[in-house]
Amino acid sequence: SQKIEQNSEALNIQEGKTATLTCNYTNYSPAYLQWYRQDPGRGPVFLLLIRENEKEKRKERLKVTFDTTLKQSLFHITASQPADSATYLCALRWNQGGKLIFGQGTELSVKP
Amino acid sequence: EAGVTQFPSHSVIEKGQTVTLRCDPISGHDNLYWYRRVMGKEIKFLLHFVKESKQDESGMPNNRFLAERTGGTYSTLKVQPAELEDSGVYFCASSPPGPNSPLHFGNGTRLTVT
Repeated sequence: SQKIEQNSEALNIQEGKTATLTCNYTNYSPAYLQWYRQDPGRGPVFLLLIRENEKEKRKERLKVTFDTTLKQSLFHITASQPADSATYLCALRWNQGGKLIFGQGTELSVKP
Repeated sequence: EAGVTQFPSHSVIEKGQTVTLRCDPISGHDNLYWYRRVMGKEIKFLLHFVKESKQDESGMPNNRFLAERTGGTYSTLKVQPAELEDSGVYFCASSPPGPNSPLHFGNGTRLTVT
């Protein structure tokens, strides 16, 4: 079965630095990969989507890469701010219209 | 637009009792999903409705769980009888038609079975 691995250890960085979060998966590549943000007591909120045939996507301070050879996606937040502190989830969908499978998430803490 | 709403936000019940969770998706969203997060684990898929039809219920843990979506609008998830291992946060999400539309989540129902 498909497995998704995110760094389970919390990531602590200084304000202004770039945060980089990793999402690895096993077996064959998904059709789509999405990143979500989750704050305590709230549901996940969609951030970015990248397709199998795309290498990189950007949205403001956010950048996602997708390397099907390494079976890995990287999620970058540039010029990080304390307000970026949250848990970030990657989610993969292997078939069009199929279920979205989530990783365990990585907790990011940005210190002022 | 109003977001996905879930009710109740918290529920504490005893083992063996019944609990019904409700989800109101965003109007016009044909797709409705139920997910569950058990303490320390990832958010796990339970099932997927397209309008009133169950598209995929491969994540439902056992027959103590029953999901319905009356008329393709709101959905309920009933657990009967509840067991201790059912404790967790149950999330509902909806999305518009389209194979890779992002999911809009509610804030979840925290279920505690004692």
